[in-house]
Amino acid sequence: EAGVTQFPSHSVIEKGQTVTLRCDPISGHDNLYWYRRVMGKEIKFLLHFVKESKQDESGMPNNRFLAERTGGTYSTLKVQPAELEDSGVYFCASSQWTGGEQFFGPGTRLTVL
Amino acid sequence: GENVEQHPSTLSVQEGDSAVIKCTYSDSASNYFPWYKQELGKRPQLIIDIRSNVGEKKDQRIAVTLNKTAKHFSLHITETQPEDSAVYFCAGRDNTGTASKLTFGTGTRLQVTL
Repeated sequence: EAGVTQFPSHSVIEKGQTVTLRCDPISGHDNLYWYRRVMGKEIKFLLHFVKESKQDESGMPNNRFLAERTGGTYSTLKVQPAELEDSGVYFCASSQWTGGEQFFGPGTRLTVL
Repeated sequence: GENVEQHPSTLSVQEGDSAVIKCTYSDSASNYFPWYKQELGKRPQLIIDIRSNVGEKKDQRIAVTLNKTAKHFSLHITETQPEDSAVYFCAGRDNTGTASKLTFGTGTRLQVTL
């Protein structure tokens, strides 16, 4: 069974540019989560989808971040415009049911210069 | 909201020794506590978890203990091996209702030396 995949693995952009991260969850997993780890700190929750609906977006830092999951399959996280403090590793995770084990992707390392 | 603190941030042990990582949480409603291991360049992977109706859980060389009254839980690794070297994250979650986000600690970098 394929695990959670994320694309790209690395992204280097300049401040003010736009970046879109993609996550493909494990097939059949209705729950999809985005997390972020900034500068060696804790992994912080961003938001949670159940199918294509946003269940919890309490962790989204500001309106420069937009997450979508059209069709309830893969998800995208767009940062526009990117700021220096957005640098970090963005993880996606999925679970079969709400409250189930969360399987993590390898992460996307975003560097904003 | 939930706050999880994790100590130590780095830990170096000799092969064969035991390693203990401790976490505290703030939200008494949290009832599920997973531990994730992230090896260098790889994804975080669940290694063990414990629910609030259990005080201890063991899986081979790994064990987790939970003290609900004190709101702390610990990961114990016995007979450490070089492949145990990784960053370990504790987390807490309130599993009631529709909430399912994990609140993580800041991670512990474990180095097992020969």
